[in-house]
Amino acid sequence: EADIYQTPRYLVIGTGKKITLECSQTMGHDKMYWYQQDPGMELHLIHYSYGVNSTEKGDLSSESTVSRIRTEHFPLTLESARPSHTSQYLCASRDQNTGELFFGEGSRLTVL
Amino acid sequence: KNQVEQSPQSLIILEGKNCTLQCNYTVSPFSNLRWYKQDTGRGPVSLTIMTFSENTKSNGRYTATLDADTKQSSLHITASQLSDSASYICVVSANSGAGSYQLTFGKGTKLSVIP
Repeated sequence: EADIYQTPRYLVIGTGKKITLECSQTMGHDKMYWYQQDPGMELHLIHYSYGVNSTEKGDLSSESTVSRIRTEHFPLTLESARPSHTSQYLCASRDQNTGELFFGEGSRLTVL
Repeated sequence: KNQVEQSPQSLIILEGKNCTLQCNYTVSPFSNLRWYKQDTGRGPVSLTIMTFSENTKSNGRYTATLDADTKQSSLHITASQLSDSASYICVVSANSGAGSYQLTFGKGTKLSVIP
């Protein structure tokens, strides 16, 4: 079972609010990722990190930001949420030996 | 451009029946191919990994095949159960050098198993 955790699982907020989605893993993986997934659609990479103090934007443009101060922690922040940000956000980390991705349970964000 | 195409987009089968999901890819240079199962509202979970030299691999009632020449993979589910209802995602990894890999995701096949 994967040791990667996301909080909150569900969040409903009003437009303009600042939110942070938390992601933590205890597997010591250097590589971590954030994906955005709309219902019934494919995953889109929005941010990734190859280690502490390393962050890069993914294939899909996103107004969110990320930070990687500690290996185990990779939070995603939206400074001012909008209804267009309503989606599911999936965090993952990657085993550098096998290449396998381990996903968290996801954070479903609804912006009213 | 690396691409992964999955078919069918959705599938409904009766409990106990078998089914096969397809994945075609144009990813280069190919490193490996994984099938993930994603339950509704949950994160994907790895089912199998196929490397270049592997033709078939089983994980319980799931059997994956890989034809590296035609760049096709299939996931066969035997004696389906209601709990198999999920989206099945094909993910292909390309070796982009210096120990770095690029992942290309398919859109998934949504499987519904009905009693």
